[in-house]
Amino acid sequence: GAGVSQTPSNKVTEKGKYVELRCDPISGHTALYWYRQSLGQGPEFLIYFQGTGAADDSGLPNDRFFAVRPEGSVSTLKIQRTERGDSAVYLCASSSARNTGELFFGEGSRLTVL
Amino acid sequence: SQKIEQNSEALNIQEGKTATLTCNYTNYSPAYLQWYRQDPGRGPVFLLLIRENEKEKRKERLKVTFDTTLKQSLFHITASQPADSATYLCALDVNGNKLVFGAGTILRVKS
Repeated sequence: GAGVSQTPSNKVTEKGKYVELRCDPISGHTALYWYRQSLGQGPEFLIYFQGTGAADDSGLPNDRFFAVRPEGSVSTLKIQRTERGDSAVYLCASSSARNTGELFFGEGSRLTVL
Repeated sequence: SQKIEQNSEALNIQEGKTATLTCNYTNYSPAYLQWYRQDPGRGPVFLLLIRENEKEKRKERLKVTFDTTLKQSLFHITASQPADSATYLCALDVNGNKLVFGAGTILRVKS
């Protein structure tokens, strides 16, 4: 596709459930980022992939959060035992640069945990 | 501690005027700084990147300055239009691995 695609656009789940959010980056982009954005805040860094490997996962808040990118393209963010505090918009971005350059963001997946 | 601060209150200006948004940071040494625009319910969209050795960068009606001594960037929109109304985010690179974003400033341009 022409841009970064994220699915689902909206996800409502109950506390304690497992959730997967998918990101399809721009074709050929080697770098992929996950951010989380709460209302009135800027995007908060979660994890950065360069190819298939997680180059920096320092932003993942705890071990309930995990992300994969097995073939160096599509990435999945996985959240176990969701909590109400996980409610936010999860943004994915990709970049063609090895070092941080211009990021192309998707429209985000809005997660609501009831 | 490390901080990025942007004008916390919304900036309201009249159409045709110049909007100036501020980004201050502490305890970072970024190689470059970026500005993004975000509309409600959408992802951020890249506007400009300025490197530490550049004082100023321009793109159409946009101008960004970067003062590494003051640890500040200013973002200007000249001849502002109602369509410029959005949230503007500044972001710093950290170790070439990630961008760290400020909370953003809401700009409202009134006709």
